[in-house]
Amino acid sequence: GAVVSQHPSWVICKSGTSVKIECRSLDFQATTMFWYRQFPKQSLMLMATSNEGSKATYEQGVEKDKFLINHASLTLSTLTVTSAHPEDSSFYICSASVGGVGTDTQYFGPGTRLTVL
Amino acid sequence: DAKTTQPTSMDCAEGRAANLPCNHSTISGNEYVYWYRQIHSQGPQYIIHGLKNNETNEMASLIITEDRKSSTLILPHATLRDTAVYYCIVRVAGYNTNAGKSTFGDGTTLTVKP
Repeated sequence: GAVVSQHPSWVICKSGTSVKIECRSLDFQATTMFWYRQFPKQSLMLMATSNEGSKATYEQGVEKDKFLINHASLTLSTLTVTSAHPEDSSFYICSASVGGVGTDTQYFGPGTRLTVL
Repeated sequence: DAKTTQPTSMDCAEGRAANLPCNHSTISGNEYVYWYRQIHSQGPQYIIHGLKNNETNEMASLIITEDRKSSTLILPHATLRDTAVYYCIVRVAGYNTNAGKSTFGDGTTLTVKP
């Protein structure tokens, strides 16, 4: 199957700083990428949909000015957590897919664990 | 996307078949059934998907009822490495701006025991 990578795998930062997480599709081009957040012992929660060359679409309750998403190419999307606070500590997971009738399988990255001190 | 209902947890003996059920009674005609699993502290892994016919691949089999209101994921010979949270998702597939957008429920925690 297709491979999606994330960088970094884990990051620790101080409160008030910004953190950038990269999501790359390694062997395919992804017109759409998704960003999820997962708190301990909970399911994945969709944060936003990122389409190459256009503004991201955020889910209700997700602050677009706090979670900046850029999808500059068909293989790269970035999520920047601005002015991070301890409550932003979570497991952030991206996924990538290419639309196609019955064939648009969604491939997930390995996740990035963010800890804000 | 349609809502799904899965049992919270299941146990399975190593080497036996694991049958994971999923109810999706409000599924629409153009929605597919997808299964993913998430091993602790990793990103979800795609397993299989189908529309109305039963499907099989190297990982698992997917049995969808004729009325499409429920499905069962079958791991034919479960191993300890199959211990994970299994998610059943129904969503539209195809060329649209929401292609791939998945709504995750709580899933089923499958524990394979020696």
